[in-house]
Amino acid sequence: QLVLTQSPSASASLGASVKLTCTLTSGHNTYAIAWHQQQPGRGPRFLMKVDNDGRHTKGDGIPDRFSGSSSGAERYLTISNVQSEDEADYYCQSWGTGVHGVFGGGTKLTVL
Amino acid sequence: EVQLVESGGGLIQPGGSLRLSCAASGFTVSYNSMAWVRQAPGKGLEWLSIIYSGGGTFYADSVKGRFIISRDNSKNTLYLQMNSLRVEDTAVYYCATDQQLMNWGQGTLVTVSS
Repeated sequence: QLVLTQSPSASASLGASVKLTCTLTSGHNTYAIAWHQQQPGRGPRFLMKVDNDGRHTKGDGIPDRFSGSSSGAERYLTISNVQSEDEADYYCQSWGTGVHGVFGGGTKLTVL
Repeated sequence: EVQLVESGGGLIQPGGSLRLSCAASGFTVSYNSMAWVRQAPGKGLEWLSIIYSGGGTFYADSVKGRFIISRDNSKNTLYLQMNSLRVEDTAVYYCATDQQLMNWGQGTLVTVSS
């Protein structure tokens, strides 16, 4: 069974960089994931898809400050030059053989 | 431009039924996978169901046997028929495109309460 694990919270200073992690359960290392952002009071927004080889494909209008990468069972979302509007909940989500859809618990990013 | 507009939410008593709609524009629903996701108050996102372009449907265990996903190609609209509703089904319901949920609607609130 595929489970996605995220840290509940993270913080970053304005202008700094932060790396969020999504860990896939053992045996699912080849699965791609998607990162979604949910700003306070708003609906979710697709940020990017991250493949197991680290390639990432961003959604329309997503700033260059957002990037994705991968290592083994971990998928990352890196935000460079963090801005106040990046304060949001970030969810990873995956699908694949025998798995039609699942979310991680989300990471609440606080901008200091 | 891809646009998704959900409707049909509201207040419903436990045990009741409700049908949500997701009107799509800018693309053809039947050519894409389409999914439903919900978010209970103060909680995270929960994947619920998907319908593939070929018509296959799949559900999360939490709604299997109670919810039915479908589409009307002539109206380019996705649906979620929700039966035997429970208090714990209270949430904002979103429709989204593709397995990776590339496009989201704005959501519709369903409140199950007596």
